[in-house]
Amino acid sequence: GQNIDQPTEMTATEGAIVQINCTYQTSGFNGLFWYQQHAGEAPTFLSYNVLDGLEEKGRFSSFLSRSKGYSYLLLKELQMKDSASYLCAATDSNYQLIWGAGTKLIIKP
Amino acid sequence: GAVVSQHPSRVICKSGTSVKIECRSLDFQATTMFWYRQFPKKSLMLMATSNEGSKATYEQGVEKDKFLINHASLTLSTLTVTSAHPEDSSFYICSAREASQDTGELFFGEGSRLTVL
Repeated sequence: GQNIDQPTEMTATEGAIVQINCTYQTSGFNGLFWYQQHAGEAPTFLSYNVLDGLEEKGRFSSFLSRSKGYSYLLLKELQMKDSASYLCAATDSNYQLIWGAGTKLIIKP
Repeated sequence: GAVVSQHPSRVICKSGTSVKIECRSLDFQATTMFWYRQFPKKSLMLMATSNEGSKATYEQGVEKDKFLINHASLTLSTLTVTSAHPEDSSFYICSAREASQDTGELFFGEGSRLTVL
């Protein structure tokens, strides 16, 4: 079956770095997305990886290893506004999105 | 980037009434739109995939007669919750994929919070 696993909740300190991991099992693979969702709001796009390696975008970076079925989202210089849920989603061979349950990130001062 | 507008953002209705939620792609054509439901502190649950000009594809466990989806044009899909009950109270979100894209990136509407009294 198709499955996405990511931690339920993580806590980090303002100014620090945090890595949110995601493992996936899909029928075929056409890329992996990370979305940020603040409580009560719709998700917003953060990153898309289809090739192995690290993609850096400001304070956020996303990594993909296709052979390991593994991705992570790296957040640097954490700010209080980064407190949100981070959703990992993989696209299968039909470009359907398989969603993880999301990781709630709590930032403490 | 592409913009998806969802309306209404909040709606309160009485039990037994029907509620229509609209999802519009404002600056692109969307052959496919997706409708999700999200319970508090839970992830998105895909309800159905809406394809322009054809019937929607519903996920297992989603009642198609209760959640009517219409995708009459390349920029508009509607979700109608028929005979709403308190258990239908939830956050409903739509997303759209640009017709010219194959990458699968989705653009989300703002979401609609439905409260059924």
